[in-house]
Amino acid sequence: GENVEQHPSTLSVQEGDSAVIKCTYSDSASNYFPWYKQELGKRPQLIIDIRSNVGEKKDQRIAVTLNKTAKHFSLHITETQPEDSAVYFCAALSSYGKLTFGQGTILTVHP
Amino acid sequence: NAGVTQTPKFRVLKTGQSMTLLCAQDMNHEYMYWYRQDPGMGLRLIHYSVGEGTTAKGEVPDGYNVSRLKKQNFLLGLESAAPSQTSVYFCASSYPPERWGTDTQYFGPGTRLTVL
Repeated sequence: GENVEQHPSTLSVQEGDSAVIKCTYSDSASNYFPWYKQELGKRPQLIIDIRSNVGEKKDQRIAVTLNKTAKHFSLHITETQPEDSAVYFCAALSSYGKLTFGQGTILTVHP
Repeated sequence: NAGVTQTPKFRVLKTGQSMTLLCAQDMNHEYMYWYRQDPGMGLRLIHYSVGEGTTAKGEVPDGYNVSRLKKQNFLLGLESAAPSQTSVYFCASSYPPERWGTDTQYFGPGTRLTVL
């Protein structure tokens, strides 16, 4: 089955800095890669996603890049703000139609 | 439009007790899922359903059973709870994955279960 590795497990940045979270996946047939943000005690919420036929997607301060050859994708957050502090999860949709999640990254943005 | 709801929100069980978690969605989604979330391990799929009357095993199905008798409901059962099942359980629903992009999995608020 699919295996998704996510790094780093924790990330601490100063307000205004950029943050990058990276994920690798194992199933070359995976074709959809969402990113979720989860605030403490809340449910995961989709923040951005990308399909395998696209190399990059941007939505205001967040962007996702995908390298199909290397089987890795990354989340980029620019001009970070304290409200960006949360746990971020990447995921990959495998050929079996199931989402496999990474282990999560705790992002802390210091004012 | 309530989205995805879960009951109960919290529960404490003793080892060996049984319980059922209820997930309900009002978005007419075909697919429903049960995940468990443990610290440092992300979300792991327990069971899922691609339609009324159908269920399938996910990544960590042992110790759990599910039923999807109605399209809008997905039940997760623990027949004999164990401390290893202490976790936060999330239900989610979606259209079929080929329709994802502008729409994806919607998660419920979670159920925090403690097994003593």
